Amino acid sequence: EIVLTQSPGTLSLSPGERATLSCRASQSVSSSYLAWYQQKPGQAPRLLIYGASSRATGIPDRFSGSESGTDFTLTISRLEPEDFAVYYCQQYGSSLTFGGGTRVEIK
Amino acid sequence: EVQLVESGGGLVQPGRSLRLSCAASGFTFDNYAMHWVRQAPGKGLEWVSGISWNSDNIVYADSVKGRFTISRDNAKNSLYLQMNSLRAEDTALYYCAKALHSFGWSLFDYWGQGNLVTVSS
Repeated sequence: EIVLTQSPGTLSLSPGERATLSCRASQSVSSSYLAWYQQKPGQAPRLLIYGASSRATGIPDRFSGSESGTDFTLTISRLEPEDFAVYYCQQYGSSLTFGGGTRVEIK
Repeated sequence: EVQLVESGGGLVQPGRSLRLSCAASGFTFDNYAMHWVRQAPGKGLEWVSGISWNSDNIVYADSVKGRFTISRDNAKNSLYLQMNSLRAEDTALYYCAKALHSFGWSLFDYWGQGNLVTVSS
């Protein structure tokens, strides 16, 4: 099973700042089959990024994804008030696993 | 508009059974695989089970294998999860999720609002 380790656990930032979230896989993820989701309190997760770097429909371009080997990164270029939430990565290349999540909170 | 509406959750004693349902609308249900994902209170997401468009391929997480059964009725645009021998650690919000593809491992482009299952005596 591929284990996904997200860091940091919590990121404290101010609106307008840049957020960099990490997701490290325990082994290679087939064909960059990695997705990112955003979850706000009391809501279901929302798909942000798929294929490591492709934005889902309707996702603002301040969200971007990248990969380097087994390291995946979600970057939010300038935090808007609505971006404070929990973010999960998920690999779907070999079975299905989620990372433990990163909470982005207002500093 | 895609809608996924779960039902059937509630409070159940350990060892008992419960059946979750998910009513789908707004897309061609039998074109896509469907999955169940759960989230224990205050915890992260855990994939539970998935079923291909035609029910030929069914997969389970090790944590529920042998106890849970996923099924679908394409004529009724519905997904189900039969949960037997429930344990306290099965307590979670259960989400119905639509896969991007018709079979195989996938990401999820739409989610229901979740249905709470509480296992407690």
